[in-house]
Amino acid sequence: KQEVTQIPAALSVPEGENLVLNCSFTDSAIYNLQWFRQDPGKGLTSLLLIQSSQREQTSGRLNASLDKSSGRSTLYIAASQPGDSATYLCALIKAAGNKLTFGGGTRVLVKP
Amino acid sequence: DAGVTQSPTHLIKTRGQHVTLRCSPISGHKSVSWYQQVLGQGPQFIFQYYEKEERGRGNFPDRFSARQFPNYSSELNVNALLLGDSALYLCASSFVGDLNGYTFGSGTRLTVV
Repeated sequence: KQEVTQIPAALSVPEGENLVLNCSFTDSAIYNLQWFRQDPGKGLTSLLLIQSSQREQTSGRLNASLDKSSGRSTLYIAASQPGDSATYLCALIKAAGNKLTFGGGTRVLVKP
Repeated sequence: DAGVTQSPTHLIKTRGQHVTLRCSPISGHKSVSWYQQVLGQGPQFIFQYYEKEERGRGNFPDRFSARQFPNYSSELNVNALLLGDSALYLCASSFVGDLNGYTFGSGTRLTVV
């Protein structure tokens, strides 16, 4: 059974600092991995998707890496801003058309 | 271009009642999935539907049921509501096998009192 863990559960950094968010999983047989952002009480906004054959994806200040052999993905957010404060969730799909398996999320606070 | 739309946005129900939540996928998406998110936790998979057929079911009791209509919209029904059913219910749509992943709606906040 695939298990997804995100540590730490919460993180507080000063504005301008780079953010490093971790996601670990137990089964390396994945189809793709997706990072989401969630603002309080809101739905999920997709940030980046990494296909199984890829090692990383980048979008603006965001970079996500995937290392299947070690069961890890990392989301980097450069030069954090107060507007980056949110909960960040990673989720895996084992095969095309399958369900998403989520981690518990990391709640981020960026202090001005 | 409309994203995934869910209704209602908020709902308050009494224990024992039933509830129906609705979801319209992105145009062209034929797969709809439902997730339950309890406060402070990651979303948990409830159902997936594709071409009006159930393609997956999570570890939820039979009080939970769903269906998909010919226009690919979907309903999630929950009977005999319990206090523990209070959560954010999220709907996601995708092409089956789509390498672009899933797109989520804004969710329905259900409170059971």
